[in-house]
Amino acid sequence: DAKTTQPPSMDCAEGRAANLPCNHSTISGNEYVYWYRQIHSQGPQYIIHGLKNNETNEMASLIITEDRKSSTLILPHATLRDTAVYYCIVRVAGNQFYFGTGTSLTVIP
Amino acid sequence: EAGVAQSPRYKIIEKRQSVAFWCNPISGHATLYWYQQILGQGPKLLIQFQNNGVVDDSQLPKDRFSAERLKGVDSTLKIQPAKLEDSAVYLCASSLELTGELFFGEGSRLTVL
Repeated sequence: DAKTTQPPSMDCAEGRAANLPCNHSTISGNEYVYWYRQIHSQGPQYIIHGLKNNETNEMASLIITEDRKSSTLILPHATLRDTAVYYCIVRVAGNQFYFGTGTSLTVIP
Repeated sequence: EAGVAQSPRYKIIEKRQSVAFWCNPISGHATLYWYQQILGQGPKLLIQFQNNGVVDDSQLPKDRFSAERLKGVDSTLKIQPAKLEDSAVYLCASSLELTGELFFGEGSRLTVL
């Protein structure tokens, strides 16, 4: 079962930063947080992952709280193409990924 | 680099019929996953293979679903007999090793009438 909770939907103005929160209060010390997104009719696409430290790549930044019970995915300058469902996932032992229901992000022109 | 290939992309069958989906993972990826995604829900893990061995099939409805991964490369997921509630997108994913990210295919959309 998914170990994460996310708001069901969010809006963001085009060009602004999109901040997507995720709670994972039961995460274990060696479990990673992964973020994927799914654009309509496509398979999920990897965005970023982290364990303890904040991470940044060309797509997004991941901020993990010190107690690791929550995290935030930041899309620095949202575009219309970022409209998608975003999934926060805790990867458990054995490299198993259990998806929750995700956050549907709508970027508004 | 070629991605995860799945076929067919779409399939329509009547209840009680059988159906099979095929997946070819990215070359060299030892771990392969099948997920079921019902409309409006997140993907649900059905089965995970490491090479040709099953790592986890705890959520696979074994009375009607079966999956195999002969020779540790391609995989087939079969449903027999299908029920209305099996209507979903079946996603295949692969990863390079047990600690790697998942790469997903485009999925196979099943409609059971």
